[in-house]
Amino acid sequence: QSALTQPPSASGSPGQSVTISCTGASSDVGGYNYVSWYQHHPGKAPKLMIYDVSKRPSGVPDRFSGSRSGNTASLTVSGLLAEDEADYYCSSYAGSNSLFVFGTGTKVTVL
Amino acid sequence: EVQLVQSGAEVKQSGESLKISCKGSGYSFTSYWIGWVRQMPGRGLEWMGVIYPGDSDTRYSPSFQGQVTISADKSISTAYLQWSSLRASDTAMYYCARPGIHMITSGRYYFDSWGQGTPVIVSS
Repeated sequence: QSALTQPPSASGSPGQSVTISCTGASSDVGGYNYVSWYQHHPGKAPKLMIYDVSKRPSGVPDRFSGSRSGNTASLTVSGLLAEDEADYYCSSYAGSNSLFVFGTGTKVTVL
Repeated sequence: EVQLVQSGAEVKQSGESLKISCKGSGYSFTSYWIGWVRQMPGRGLEWMGVIYPGDSDTRYSPSFQGQVTISADKSISTAYLQWSSLRASDTAMYYCARPGIHMITSGRYYFDSWGQGTPVIVSS
């Protein structure tokens, strides 16, 4: 199972929006409503930000939103804050043999 | 409060064995799967496998099948990741992570709680 494809980096100024893509296949991203997104500050535990494509766990600001079109999922962070600077990873269910596959990761920089 | 507390950093030689742990608290340990995720230096996250402590049902990523062993001791709410013979390429940060309740039967394929990570350094 190959890793899902994400852009290596993305950036935006405070208050702006940034959108990160996550491209897979019909056997993972496009085939199931099980895409999740994680925020990872170096040296800390990853944090779940979005699950089931577009659902937000309790406590996650509504500045974070998820969507999907075909085999590509997206995470949008609106109203960027300095604290949003982190690595972001997507993940998808990949069938009963592989269960999970992660994306390659995107480093978000707040300019 | 759900907590996953992992064992401390390890420095080992190639060929040695190793078992790292992840203790769950604040929830019913036997009702949730628990998994392991690898992050090699400068690289992304990779799913390794999951175990259901209730009956020890274990699923491995094809990339890690046969390379590691995942186990759990439900009497002490602890999951383990084990190597029989380490290689330098096993140098990485290893995270345990808990999927949503009833992961397979209810389709909760996401990790909502994570451990703090265990760094493993293997020298050749």
